[in-house]
Amino acid sequence: DADVTQTPRNRITKTGKRIMLECSQTKGHDRMYWYRQDPGLGLRLIYYSFDVKDINKGEISDGYSVSRQAQAKFSLSLESAIPNQTALYFCATSDGPLGHEQFFGPGTRLTVL
Amino acid sequence: QKEVEQDPGPLSVPEGAIVSLNCTYSNSAFQYFMWYRQYSRKGPELLMYTYSSGNKEDGRFTAQVDKSSKYISLFIRDSQPSDSATYLCAMSGASGTYKYIFGTGTRLKVLA
Repeated sequence: DADVTQTPRNRITKTGKRIMLECSQTKGHDRMYWYRQDPGLGLRLIYYSFDVKDINKGEISDGYSVSRQAQAKFSLSLESAIPNQTALYFCATSDGPLGHEQFFGPGTRLTVL
Repeated sequence: QKEVEQDPGPLSVPEGAIVSLNCTYSNSAFQYFMWYRQYSRKGPELLMYTYSSGNKEDGRFTAQVDKSSKYISLFIRDSQPSDSATYLCAMSGASGTYKYIFGTGTRLKVLA
């Protein structure tokens, strides 16, 4: 079984809808991350969490929120989706404090119409 | 100016060629330098990482870091069609300073 799983894998939604992307990990890592990937812009960090009680904004957090329900679960929400949030979203984990390898999930392809 | 710059490609080479992939950066605080490989419709996977300056070799792959020039490279020898993927460089700060920045990725195609 995959160490980092994301659900759903694909989602099409409409402008204004609320949507939640979920991430679970079995690696036992404390650190979890949400990124979005766009052609020509690469991977950009949305939010990160170093433990259950620690949530931090990344480079592009506007329009997004997160919840760290447990060490193994980190959810990303789009409160009111807009078309420019159409992208590939990745969850990642790493081991702290010197864990410089990030382990990525398979990604969620989100389309906002 | 972006902190990390990477040529997006695409780069097409014949099988067996030596491939050179590069990134430049502007933040002198970066201490760890990583190369990730991303196959189509998959998440990135770490290929190699280097701490500070110097070279690191792993099979057909060699990573080089030149901190004085703020320039890192990944060399792939005897390239194979299975090496066709997007290669992303990434850099991070020293322990206690959270900064982990990815390049935009270079798409590589190795032709059989």
